[in-house]
Amino acid sequence: EAQVTQNPRYLITVTGKKLTVTCSQNMNHEYMSWYRQDPGLGLRQIYYSMNVEVTDKGDVPEGYKVSRKEKRNFPLILESPSPNQTSLYFCASSFRRAGPVPYEQYFGPGTRLTVT
Amino acid sequence: GQNIDQPTEMTATEGAIVQINCTYQTSGFNGLFWYQQHAGEAPTFLSYNVLDGLEEKGRFSSFLSRSKGYSYLLLKELQMKDSASYLCAVIYNFNKFYFGSGTKLNVKP
Repeated sequence: EAQVTQNPRYLITVTGKKLTVTCSQNMNHEYMSWYRQDPGLGLRQIYYSMNVEVTDKGDVPEGYKVSRKEKRNFPLILESPSPNQTSLYFCASSFRRAGPVPYEQYFGPGTRLTVT
Repeated sequence: GQNIDQPTEMTATEGAIVQINCTYQTSGFNGLFWYQQHAGEAPTFLSYNVLDGLEEKGRFSSFLSRSKGYSYLLLKELQMKDSASYLCAVIYNFNKFYFGSGTKLNVKP
């Protein structure tokens, strides 16, 4: 089954304790992206990756890191989480139907993170 | 960031037609997407527009005017299961996505 998986689904942690949220897709998509979703603000792009070893900042990258060592995996790293990073996080992947623009994004189930 | 504007909430009756509008900044535009998101779930793809005009897909249609920076999503023959949030998303400079804050649609019997 074509899917994007994220782990963990729920996480409660404390300020300053490094954490990683994993994301994996089995569709051989080149484009992957991380978003956070907060009430009233919608989805905001954190980082994206156009292919292996190619990543770039989205709209809200501060406090986050990513890596793309393999095509299927795109982990999100919070080196020193703070309470303002409490949010619902989605990973997504996409293919290019024609030309350079990513087409339909497939979203993972989401990770609800609480930082106290 | 880019401003993507859509109404916060709308209510419509089962069987009716509803139009959800979205406006965006046109500089750097590469395409516009509509997604549906049920409460507590991930967004799912509905439609994509890159050229002016109407794209029809069953009960759902999406319209784009690039010169006006305007799109709408049209839902016909509304069903209770259409109660969800509808997200307008624009891709800029080939790789950056910006989403509106979503329109919560309430379908009543």
